[in-house]
Amino acid sequence: IAGITQAPTSQILAAGRRMTLRCTQDMRHNAMYWYRQDLGLGLRLIHYSNTAGTTGKGEVPDGYSVSRANTDDFPLTLASAVPSQTSVYFCASSEVGTSFYADEQFFGPGTRLTVL
Amino acid sequence: TQLLEQSPQFLSIQEGENLTVYCNSSSVFSSLQWYRQEPGEGPVLLVTVVTGGEVKKLKRLTFQFGDARKDSSLHITAAQPGDTGLYLCAGAKRGGGADGLTFGKGTHLIIQP
Repeated sequence: IAGITQAPTSQILAAGRRMTLRCTQDMRHNAMYWYRQDLGLGLRLIHYSNTAGTTGKGEVPDGYSVSRANTDDFPLTLASAVPSQTSVYFCASSEVGTSFYADEQFFGPGTRLTVL
Repeated sequence: TQLLEQSPQFLSIQEGENLTVYCNSSSVFSSLQWYRQEPGEGPVLLVTVVTGGEVKKLKRLTFQFGDARKDSSLHITAAQPGDTGLYLCAGAKRGGGADGLTFGKGTHLIIQP
């Protein structure tokens, strides 16, 4: 069982370059998320998607875009990378139902991105 | 803006000691979750607390949700080296967490043999 896969595992990128981080899940979850994790700041939500075809902005969306063409894939694109986007990026998914409480989020192994 | 404050940020104790980690907020959450993260991996869910005043136990770990659903605590009894890791609390404003979670900055816990 793969769960969530992310690619690449790590990347060094020149400032100004375009980069797409890939995320694929095989659990058929309806919701997917992108977080960035920075030392001293914890995990912060970038974008999310409740279902295929819809996306929403999180806490730190500037400089990032996402798409959700199908249930399984949720790529994150940096149109023109800047050094402040150096971070570890985590993709997550969950099967969100109608419950009052939060459903478990399953996280990928992360992509370590360095922008020089 | 971080809505969840975790304390302490770092904690290093000896094997066999007890410890408590706190997660506080001025906001009300529909539920709070605790995740644990190992180096080089993504967070993994430990527990979800839903009802104000709720207490849940997982072996030596005890989780409590405040009566007003604004704060939570994690208590570990007789800590072991295997408990070492980053502990994160996370809150969902909306039911299901469909629009994502708000995470605390985390508590780095080291249990020394």
